[in-house]
Amino acid sequence: DGGITQSPKYLFRKEGQNVTLSCEQNLNHDAMYWYRQDPGQGLRLIYYSQIVNDFQKGDIAEGYSVSREKKESFPLTVTSAQKNPTAFYLCASSGRSHQPQHFGDGTRLSIL
Amino acid sequence: GQQVMQIPQYQHVQEGEDFTTYCNSSTTLSNIQWYKQRPGGHPVFLIQLVKSGEVKKQKRLTFQFGEAKKNSSLHITATQTTDVGTYFCAGNYGGSQGNLIFGKGTKLSVKP
Repeated sequence: DGGITQSPKYLFRKEGQNVTLSCEQNLNHDAMYWYRQDPGQGLRLIYYSQIVNDFQKGDIAEGYSVSREKKESFPLTVTSAQKNPTAFYLCASSGRSHQPQHFGDGTRLSIL
Repeated sequence: GQQVMQIPQYQHVQEGEDFTTYCNSSTTLSNIQWYKQRPGGHPVFLIQLVKSGEVKKQKRLTFQFGEAKKNSSLHITATQTTDVGTYFCAGNYGGSQGNLIFGKGTKLSVKP
């Protein structure tokens, strides 16, 4: 079955630690996205990529980094510079930008 | 920057009552998409509206796109407990901008 796989489902970060969230898709989609969702809030865009080896900052990119070395993969690193990382992180992909997005099941990140 | 405003933030209804959520943009949209997120889940694409004045139906759900392509609504007739969740609209402004702009969502609860 085609889809988007995010791992891990739950992640705990220690102070000063960088952590990486995985996102893999086998839908052959060009565009991929990372969103942050806080309780009772909407989706805020962190980074997006319209094509391999290229990505753009979203509204809340500070404290995060991404890479897009392969079409299928778009990992997100939450760096120690992100002082309030506790949130639900959602990865999505679409055939091209502007087309309907397919979401993964998300990763819940908490601080230890 | 571009914003999509969505109201209401919360809606509590008795099962069998109708429900409507509204989205509004200050500038013209290329198209608008609607997503549903069940509690504890991830957003799932429902529909895309492209044409001015477009109306689409999915069973008890009716989606409308305004004549000026600046606003949209989702109406659910005779709500059921399975309709519980958060409904998001997402605006597409087209051009070189590769991302959707999500509204903050309307959280629907249905009392049996």
